[in-house]
Amino acid sequence: EAQVTQNPRYLITVTGKKLTVTCSQNMNHEYMSWYRQDPGLGLRQIYYSMNVEVTDKGDVPEGYKVSRKEKRNFPLILESPSPNQTSLYFCASSFAGSYEQYFGPGTRLTVT
Amino acid sequence: KQEVTQIPAALSVPEGENLVLNCSFTDSAIYNLQWFRQDPGKGLTSLLLIQSSQREQTSGRLNASLDKSSGRSTLYIAASQPGDSATYLCAVRAGTTDSWGKFQFGAGTQVVVTP
Repeated sequence: EAQVTQNPRYLITVTGKKLTVTCSQNMNHEYMSWYRQDPGLGLRQIYYSMNVEVTDKGDVPEGYKVSRKEKRNFPLILESPSPNQTSLYFCASSFAGSYEQYFGPGTRLTVT
Repeated sequence: KQEVTQIPAALSVPEGENLVLNCSFTDSAIYNLQWFRQDPGKGLTSLLLIQSSQREQTSGRLNASLDKSSGRSTLYIAASQPGDSATYLCAVRAGTTDSWGKFQFGAGTQVVVTP
């Protein structure tokens, strides 16, 4: 089944404890992206990757890191999480031709 | 910076009525526009994708139009059903090479279809 998977789906952590949210797709998509969704603010793009080793900032990159070493994986790293990073995070992927995005199920992160 | 607006924020209609959802964007230099559906606590499901060169796309009861010059897209859902209750989001992909991978989302329209 073609899909985008994210792990973990739920995470509660404490301020300053480094964490990684994984994203993997099995559709051979070139493009991958991370978003956060907050009430009243909608979905905002954090980082995106046009292909392996090619990443760029979205609208809200502060406090996040990404890497794209393999085509199928695009992990999101929070080196020192803070409470304002409490949010619902989505990973998405698409072919570079159409850019029709397919989304993962989301990761709900709470930072206390 | 591209701004995407969806009005109204919420909409309630009786079953069988046609739904009309609006999406406006400020910069007409877009690559494509995509409509999504989001159920509470769930991810986004793609409904329709319109490339910048297209005027409309159709899938079953759904029809989406795009007017780049006026910065608007409209999603029509014919003969609404209670199962259509969800939040509908539009997303615009930037059409300029310096923002090639950037997407902006509207805040969504929350739809309730009452039996």
